[in-house]
Amino acid sequence: DAGVTQSPTHLIKTRGQHVTLRCSPISGHKSVSWYQQVLGQGPQFIFQYYEKEERGRGNFPDRFSARQFPNYSSELNVNALLLGDSALYLCASSSGQGTLQETQYFGPGTRLLVL
Amino acid sequence: AQSVTQLDSQVPVFEEAPVELRCNYSSSVSVYLFWYVQYPNQGLQLLLKYLSGSTLVKGINGFEAEFNKSQTSFHLRKPSVHISDTAEYFCAVSVNAGGTSYGKLTFGQGTILTVHP
Repeated sequence: DAGVTQSPTHLIKTRGQHVTLRCSPISGHKSVSWYQQVLGQGPQFIFQYYEKEERGRGNFPDRFSARQFPNYSSELNVNALLLGDSALYLCASSSGQGTLQETQYFGPGTRLLVL
Repeated sequence: AQSVTQLDSQVPVFEEAPVELRCNYSSSVSVYLFWYVQYPNQGLQLLLKYLSGSTLVKGINGFEAEFNKSQTSFHLRKPSVHISDTAEYFCAVSVNAGGTSYGKLTFGQGTILTVHP
């Protein structure tokens, strides 16, 4: 079975631009979470979606938004990019409702560089 | 708020030697604990997790971890490492706080394990 897939793998943008990152969860998984991993640090939670509804949001500005589609895939959007948004963006899916005990399966990430 | 501290940013070790990667957490409520591994240019892969029950948890690739509630620790161990274990390891906690039940993981800063021949 295919794991979590993300596209694109790499992306270069300039400050002030907008970016859309995409994620397809493992088949049958309905919960998707997004994390930001800045170089040299652990991943930080951005959002979780379940059944197209936002269940949780981390400490990120409103420039960050996301949505989940009927097929459970998800998009992460970032507006007005800043240099500090340069990071690896990880998507994770889980098989249930995205509760605390569930294992989250991570994709390979999208590496975003903002110049 | 919960936090996770990985006490060593880098751990060099020779092949076939034992290794321990240390993780301490801070939380006033019950936690669920995870260790993930990240190979270069890849996403995170789950090594093992503690939800409840036995405090000694066995994972993939010969790794194990012990949950110590009194010391708020969840150290990762392997009795004999291989070159292929070279990677970055992350400890993470998932906490039921404020009535929320969704699985938000809080990660430590990571420990880079380098296995030398």
